[in-house]
Amino acid sequence: DQQVKQNSPSLSVQEGRISILNCDYTNSMFDYFLWYKKYPAEGPTFLISISSIKDKNEDGRFTVFLNKSAKHLSLHIVPSQPGDSAVYFCAASATRSGTYKYIFGTGTRLKVLA
Amino acid sequence: DSGVTQTPKHLITATGQRVTLRCSPRSGDLSVYWYQQSLDQGLQFLIQYYNGEERAKGNILERFSAQQFPDLHSELNLSSLELGDSALYFCASSLGLAGAGTGELFFGEGSRLTVL
Repeated sequence: DQQVKQNSPSLSVQEGRISILNCDYTNSMFDYFLWYKKYPAEGPTFLISISSIKDKNEDGRFTVFLNKSAKHLSLHIVPSQPGDSAVYFCAASATRSGTYKYIFGTGTRLKVLA
Repeated sequence: DSGVTQTPKHLITATGQRVTLRCSPRSGDLSVYWYQQSLDQGLQFLIQYYNGEERAKGNILERFSAQQFPDLHSELNLSSLELGDSALYFCASSLGLAGAGTGELFFGEGSRLTVL
C-alpha cells in the first residue's frame, strides 16, 4: 500500500520557468511533510518542510503548498535552474501517532533544460 | 556534506552471505533511520532508532536486523543474502523524532550492496 504517491515519474521544464512537482497521500494521520532532492550517487538532501497547521511554506526559490482536504502537496521551484535537475522525493510522517517514521514517495525526475 | 557517514560505500558479496553496514549520525543527532532503495524505486523505510531504542519499524525482513549503540552509531545486519537484496541502503539521522524543528532527516551517501 503506497501511502505517499508521486504519480509523475519525470518532468521537463525550460530554464527560468516554474517547476511544479506533485505528491498525494492517503493517510489522514500524516501531519508533517518534507521534500528532498537527490543527485546521482549522492544521498537525498533536505529542501523544505511543512506542518499540517500551515498551507504554505517558502524558502527562496522553493515553495511547498499543502491542501489537506485533497491530501495533496506540491513543490514549486521558481525560477528553475539547470542545477535543479535531480530526483525529488516527498515524504510524510504522522507525528502525533507515535510512529515517527517517514514514508517516501517514489520520486519525480526533474530535468531543467537550458 | 550532510555529516552522516556510511561505510562501506560499495560491497559485493555472494548469495547466502552476511554483511554489516555501518552508520555514524551527525554530531548530536539522536535518531537514526535506515532506508532501502532498489533500482528505480523509492526509499523504503526499514527501521528507526532513537537514543538506542527501536522506535519504528517498516517492511524490514526477518533476515535483517539493526541496532544503535551507546555512542549512537548504528549497524544494519543483512543475512542469508539473496539477489533481490541488491540495493542502495541509506542511513539518515535527525536531532529528534519526526516533526517540525528537530525531525528533518539528513542522509548519508549510501552503501551500495551487490549480491551475486
